[in-house]
Amino acid sequence: GQQLNQSPQSMFIQEGEDVSMNCTSSSIFNTWLWYKQDPGEGPVLLIALYKAGELTSNGRLTAQFGITRKDSFLNISASIPSDVGIYFCAGQGSGGSNYKLTFGKGTLLTVNP
Amino acid sequence: EAGVVQSPRYKIIEKKQPVAFWCNPISGHNTLYWYLQNLGQGPELLIRYENEEAVDDSQLPKDRFSAERLKGVDSTLKIQPAELGDSAVYLCASSLSGTYNEQFFGPGTRLTVL
Repeated sequence: GQQLNQSPQSMFIQEGEDVSMNCTSSSIFNTWLWYKQDPGEGPVLLIALYKAGELTSNGRLTAQFGITRKDSFLNISASIPSDVGIYFCAGQGSGGSNYKLTFGKGTLLTVNP
Repeated sequence: EAGVVQSPRYKIIEKKQPVAFWCNPISGHNTLYWYLQNLGQGPELLIRYENEEAVDDSQLPKDRFSAERLKGVDSTLKIQPAELGDSAVYLCASSLSGTYNEQFFGPGTRLTVL
């Protein structure tokens, strides 16, 4: 199935550092979502973006919906050990498939205490 | 409030055997989704239910996969017969009707086919 281009694939950082990851697509999306998945668990929604250009924060997390509607980024500031996990972006389309989420392949984040 | 419940959490079977996964969505969530997550990949939608009706099963390999949600609450996903390539995590998610972006995922069932 269709997948988004998510980068980087993995990151290894020191506690306290800031992190940035992004997602690009050849398709336009109406909604961009960022999820975190811990080992052995399902994805958990972190941030949802609904308008092109929108910048939204959730604690130390900040995400933006690109102006072209084909990209989004997620920033994590002052990382802590519990930020470890896999971060997925997901785009949600329009029209007949407005319910369908297309996921990226994920960014594996490792935080060294 | 209880989240999405899935069982079993892990299943190991030999190829050609049947297997079934069960999902109980969040109370009041009429929309239920089954996703397949291969190693190193994001989830991919298999089927979506609105109450008891499968409204999108276009990605479900119907030769060996089947699903049901008879009373519009719990759902079962079945594979018969299982193949080696079916080894993956099967995730169930649910949402209120019309709020498709707010999908809540269960912990998944990790299937290993030997």
